[in-house]
Amino acid sequence: RKEVEQDPGPFNVPEGATVAFNCTYSNSASQSFFWYRQDCRKEPKLLMSVYSSGNEDGRFTAQLNRASQYISLLIRDSKLSDSATYLCVVNEMTDKLIFGTGTRLQVFP
Amino acid sequence: EAQVTQNPRYLITVTGKKLTVTCSQNMNHEYMSWYRQDPGLGLRQIYYSMNVEVTDKGDVPEGYKVSRKEKRNFPLILESPSPNQTSLYFCASRRLSNEQFFGPGTRLTVL
Repeated sequence: RKEVEQDPGPFNVPEGATVAFNCTYSNSASQSFFWYRQDCRKEPKLLMSVYSSGNEDGRFTAQLNRASQYISLLIRDSKLSDSATYLCVVNEMTDKLIFGTGTRLQVFP
Repeated sequence: EAQVTQNPRYLITVTGKKLTVTCSQNMNHEYMSWYRQDPGLGLRQIYYSMNVEVTDKGDVPEGYKVSRKEKRNFPLILESPSPNQTSLYFCASRRLSNEQFFGPGTRLTVL
C-alpha cells in the first residue's frame, strides 16, 4: 500500500463548480498535513496547511480525519486558474515529507 | 527575494558523462532535499541534508551523490549518468516542520 494515495483524475469541471479531492495516508503517527499546488512543468508550491479542526482560505477548505486517515480539499466556485495538479503531503514523525502522486484538475469555461 | 535556485534548468547529456546540478537557497534554511519527479510516481526524495556536513539517503539514492559544505548550497552529482536518470529534478529547502520551498526544476535527459 502506498504511503499517501490520491485519485490521479483528471477531474474536469466547469467554471463555478465545487470540486473535492481526497487523500489517504497509511502512517497513523503522521504529524502534519499539507496541500501543494503544481502547475504543468513548474515547481510545487504550498497551497495550505491542514489543521485538525479544518481550515478555510477563501474558496479553499481543507479537512483532516485522523480516525480514518484521510485529508480532503474542497474548492468552491472553481476558476480557470485553478487548473493544476494538487499534491497531498504528509509529514511523518521523522519530519520526512511524503508526497502523493497528485490529482489533476481541469476547469473548463 | 526569498528563493531556491537551480542550474542548469535544462540539460541533455550522454551516458557516463559526469554532471552536477547546483542548488542554492537564500533563506538560511537548515533542511535541504533533492527530489526526482516521474510520471505516475510522483516526487521521490533522492537525498536530504539537515544541516552543514550532514547528509542522508532518501528513497532513491542510487547513482547520485550530494554534498553540503555550506548552508546555502546543496549540489547534486551524477558521477556516471544513465538513461534511467532522465527525469525532472527539484531541489527544496525548509526549516524543520515548516513550509517547503522548491526550486524551478531541472529537466535532465540522458541519451
